Amino acid sequence: KNQVEQSPQSLIILEGKNCTLQCNYTVSPFSNLRWYKQDTGRGPVSLTIMTFSENTKSNGRYTATLDADTKQSSLHITASQLSDSASYICVVSLYTGGFKTIFGAGTRLFVKA
Amino acid sequence: DSGVTQTPKHLITATGQRVTLRCSPRSGDLSVYWYQQSLDQGLQFLIQYYNGEERAKGNILERFSAQQFPDLHSELNLSSLELGDSALYFCASSVAGGIKDTDTQYFGPGTRLTVL
Repeated sequence: KNQVEQSPQSLIILEGKNCTLQCNYTVSPFSNLRWYKQDTGRGPVSLTIMTFSENTKSNGRYTATLDADTKQSSLHITASQLSDSASYICVVSLYTGGFKTIFGAGTRLFVKA
Repeated sequence: DSGVTQTPKHLITATGQRVTLRCSPRSGDLSVYWYQQSLDQGLQFLIQYYNGEERAKGNILERFSAQQFPDLHSELNLSSLELGDSALYFCASSVAGGIKDTDTQYFGPGTRLTVL
């Protein structure tokens, strides 16, 4: 069964600290993996997109990694800011004659001053 | 601001009714995607259109339909509404959305649908 699981479900960190969010998937055949940031009540914003051949991609203070062998991805946030408080959603696409998109449930991050 | 516009922002209606949600993609984007986000099911992909034609279909109910017009705006029609259809409906657009599907998708602000 195609699934995307994210951990932890929620996380509280202090401003300025780093954190890492995890995404494990059982999706086949894999096409790409995306990380989104979603503020409450707003549309998701794309952070990174990685294909099978990419294992690291950065976007400012956000760095995503992908291990296609173990089917794991992580999103590392460096020097967190209050504005990083949001949900982070991992999304995996597969292609079987047409695209199918599987969403993770997200990790809710709270950054405290 | 992503450049994707959605109307209306809020919609309150009764069970059994029919509503239409509208989306205008970013200038130059050919693909439009529709997503549903509810509290219990999270984000779900509904359907994608590319340059007027259906490109991919996700968990879209038979009561729901969509189309993309020649000016590239899109409409999502929801009929015979049920309480469980209450959700945020997002539209996203991308430049192409072709076979590699690695284009960045830009999401609109969403339409919050409440079915009473």
